Amino acid sequence: EADIYQTPRYLVIGTGKKITLECSQTMGHDKMYWYQQDPGMELHLIHYSYGVNSTEKGDLSSESTVSRIRTEHFPLTLESARPSHTSQYLCASSEWGQGAQGGYTFGSGTRLTVV
Amino acid sequence: EDKVVQSPLSLVVHEGDTVTLNCSYEVTNFRSLLWYKQEKKAPTFLFMLTSSGIEKKSGRLSSILDKKELFSILNITATQTGDSAVYLCAVEAGSNYQLIWGAGTKLIIKP
Repeated sequence: EADIYQTPRYLVIGTGKKITLECSQTMGHDKMYWYQQDPGMELHLIHYSYGVNSTEKGDLSSESTVSRIRTEHFPLTLESARPSHTSQYLCASSEWGQGAQGGYTFGSGTRLTVV
Repeated sequence: EDKVVQSPLSLVVHEGDTVTLNCSYEVTNFRSLLWYKQEKKAPTFLFMLTSSGIEKKSGRLSSILDKKELFSILNITATQTGDSAVYLCAVEAGSNYQLIWGAGTKLIIKP
């Protein structure tokens, strides 16, 4: 079944650690996104990709980086975690060239807590 | 600056009631408006609207877009406790089809 997967679901980590949040999709979508969402707040786009070897920063300044070496894989890396990074991180994908027809498909999210 | 504003921010009703959720927007180069339902984790897609005045329906949910007045409404009739969720509105705009998200309406349905 086509889907989008995020791991881990929950992560508690100490300040200064390097972490990578994983996102994989099996739908063959070209466009992929990372959003940050605090409780009760709107989604903020932090990175997106139009396809392999394409990465762009979103509207939320972030100390994170992404890579897109394969169509299905779009990992997010925090080089040095800080308590301000505590949030939920949502990965999504959509088809290219059709806008959001059919909508974005979201992963289940990673709840990150930095202590 | 592009923005999407949802109202109300929260709403508590009883089972069986009908609710109307609002989404207004100001964006450059509007492409489409989307509604999502977010329960515990990831948002799930409900509707995409591109044309004014054409109602989209799915069971007890329906939505309509007014491109002249720059808003959309999401109606839920005969509400059930399973409808309790945050309902998110997003507008797709610009040459790169970016989504601008509203803050959501938290809907609570009491038995």
